Amino acid sequence: AAGVIQSPRHLIKEKRETATLKCYPIPRHDTVYWYQQGPGQDPQFLISFYEKMQSDKGSIPDRFSAQQFSDYHSELNMSSLELGDSALYFCASSLGPGQRGAETQYFGPGTRLLVL
Amino acid sequence: DQQVKQNSPSLSVQEGRISILNCDYTNSMFDYFLWYKKYPAEGPTFLISISSIKDKNEDGRFTVFLNKSAKHLSLHIVPSQPGDSAVYFCAASWVNSGYALNFGKGTSLLVTP
Repeated sequence: AAGVIQSPRHLIKEKRETATLKCYPIPRHDTVYWYQQGPGQDPQFLISFYEKMQSDKGSIPDRFSAQQFSDYHSELNMSSLELGDSALYFCASSLGPGQRGAETQYFGPGTRLLVL
Repeated sequence: DQQVKQNSPSLSVQEGRISILNCDYTNSMFDYFLWYKKYPAEGPTFLISISSIKDKNEDGRFTVFLNKSAKHLSLHIVPSQPGDSAVYFCAASWVNSGYALNFGKGTSLLVTP
């Protein structure tokens, strides 16, 4: 079965640079979530989108922005990168609210970002 | 603040025996509780979930029990297999937050032959 696709899988950036992470949800999933997992930490919710609109916002820094496109893929844009942004970034997708199983999120393999 | 807590960082169990992973939560608004399994350098894999209106859900070797009055849930794996060795995350969500997941810090399970 098709899974969530994330690209790139690994990314190395310098401080103050920008990065764009991409996420392609499972077919028919119209909801996308972004999470950040620091070393030895649990995943922290950043932001989510349903039908191309932001549906909820967590601990996402103002330097980060995200959007969902008409084909439901999503991009997380990170600017003025800091050393502390080094982490695993996971994207997850689910069916939309009101659909049976909407509470279940399926995760991609993650993008490992290293900021030097 | 951590709304979902997994107080045991690690657990070691012999193959064939039962593994019991515990999770506590503080937010009584949570509607769903989910368990994910994670291997290093991979994304979390969904295992099993339970709605807050139920007290038990079973899927093959995995059973989740929910005790709402104690704000406690547990994942039972019977029988445990070496391939079950991974980090297990407990997560919770509620409809009004768009199902955003609140994770515990995880429990590392080691199943020995």
